[in-house]
Amino acid sequence: KAGVTQTPRYLIKTRGQQVTLSCSPISGHRSVSWYQQTPGQGLQFLFEYFSETQRNKGNFPGRFSGRQFSNSRSEMNVSTLELGDSALYLCASSPKREWGTGELFFGEGSRLTVL
Amino acid sequence: AQKVTQAQTEISVVEKEDVTLDCVYETRDTTYYLFWYKQPPSGELVFLIRRNSFDEQNEISGRYSWNFQKSTSSFNFTITASQVVDSAVYFCALNAGNNRKLIWGLGTSLAVNP
Repeated sequence: KAGVTQTPRYLIKTRGQQVTLSCSPISGHRSVSWYQQTPGQGLQFLFEYFSETQRNKGNFPGRFSGRQFSNSRSEMNVSTLELGDSALYLCASSPKREWGTGELFFGEGSRLTVL
Repeated sequence: AQKVTQAQTEISVVEKEDVTLDCVYETRDTTYYLFWYKQPPSGELVFLIRRNSFDEQNEISGRYSWNFQKSTSSFNFTITASQVVDSAVYFCALNAGNNRKLIWGLGTSLAVNP
């Protein structure tokens, strides 16, 4: 069974640009969540989707957005990139809507560097 | 407020030593879940264990064991006879009440040296 797949694995952007990251969950998983991981702040929740609907959102500015498609694949977009957006962006999926209380399956992340 | 504290930022041990990773949590909710995840250098977080607030029974899985004590709000993780492959960052996380977000500790980086 394939795991959670995130693309691209590494990318470099410059300030002001935008970026789109993709996440393919484990087959059959309908809940997808996104995290930002930085050395200083640790793991911070971005948003969660279930059946194409955003169910929960973290405390990030509107430059961070996401969506989920009918096949459960998800994308997140960051517009007008800032240096502080440099981070590892992790996607996690789970089979049920009980996200938060059950096991999460993570991808290897997309490492974004903003210059 | 909900909070998870992993006071140990980095731990370095020699192979075959036992090591305990500390996790202290804060919540006013009576129903909550605690987790441990492992993050190897590849970056992918791997689920290790989940414990709910009504189950204080300690658990052992091979070389791994967990000690959950509500009286001290702690959920500590012990690796017995550590191995180089145990080198990773370990995260403790909390989900409490109706909050669908996981609250994460900052992680403990464990280095097991041969």
